[in-house]
Amino acid sequence: DAKTTQPPSMDCAEGRAANLPCNHSTISGNEYVYWYRQIHSQGPQYIIHGLKNNETNEMASLIITEDRKSSTLILPHATLRDTAVYYCIVTTEYGNKLVFGAGTILRVKS
Amino acid sequence: ETGVTQTPRHLVMGMTNKKSLKCEQHLGHNAMYWYKQSAKKPLELMFVYNFKEQTENNSVPSRFSPECPNSSHLFLHLHTLQPEDSALYLCASSQDAGVGELFFGEGSRLTVL
Repeated sequence: DAKTTQPPSMDCAEGRAANLPCNHSTISGNEYVYWYRQIHSQGPQYIIHGLKNNETNEMASLIITEDRKSSTLILPHATLRDTAVYYCIVTTEYGNKLVFGAGTILRVKS
Repeated sequence: ETGVTQTPRHLVMGMTNKKSLKCEQHLGHNAMYWYKQSAKKPLELMFVYNFKEQTENNSVPSRFSPECPNSSHLFLHLHTLQPEDSALYLCASSQDAGVGELFFGEGSRLTVL
């Protein structure tokens, strides 16, 4: 699976959009981009995933560049409860072997 | 509530003890996983089971012994552990082993004295 690079930490004001970047320059054509988050002392939570097209669900939007070498997770209106570690993972469709990196610590501040 | 329940939530054991961690999923999924999360380290995949059969063992020491009696239950039997095995052990499930959307439990916090 391709390796991902994420900033170690980011801050965001409550109510503003949180934009979390992820670089995956070695991504293969059959690899998906998955995003999970882990709130302190809880198990990771699936957020969203995509292959080529941008995706949106009730939690977030995923923007994937045309060359697929990077992506951005957007939380449109961040709240204090969105403070967590966010993981960007690239894996094939048979992504049962999810490999978690260090992720980005997002701190939402009032 | 994710539909994946882990017990106990906290466990303290000596190096000579034998204990077990239990995971139960109420989602009708066919695949189950054990992950380990040590302090300040990324999650590490330990085992994968698909339709009760082990499909992945990520070079885990034999002092960790998984058991999957059916698709809804997964155990991790622990014996003669070391202090460095202290960690958060997370169970997860997915519809099939070929799906990336995993549902995680809250984890079992293990301390080995």
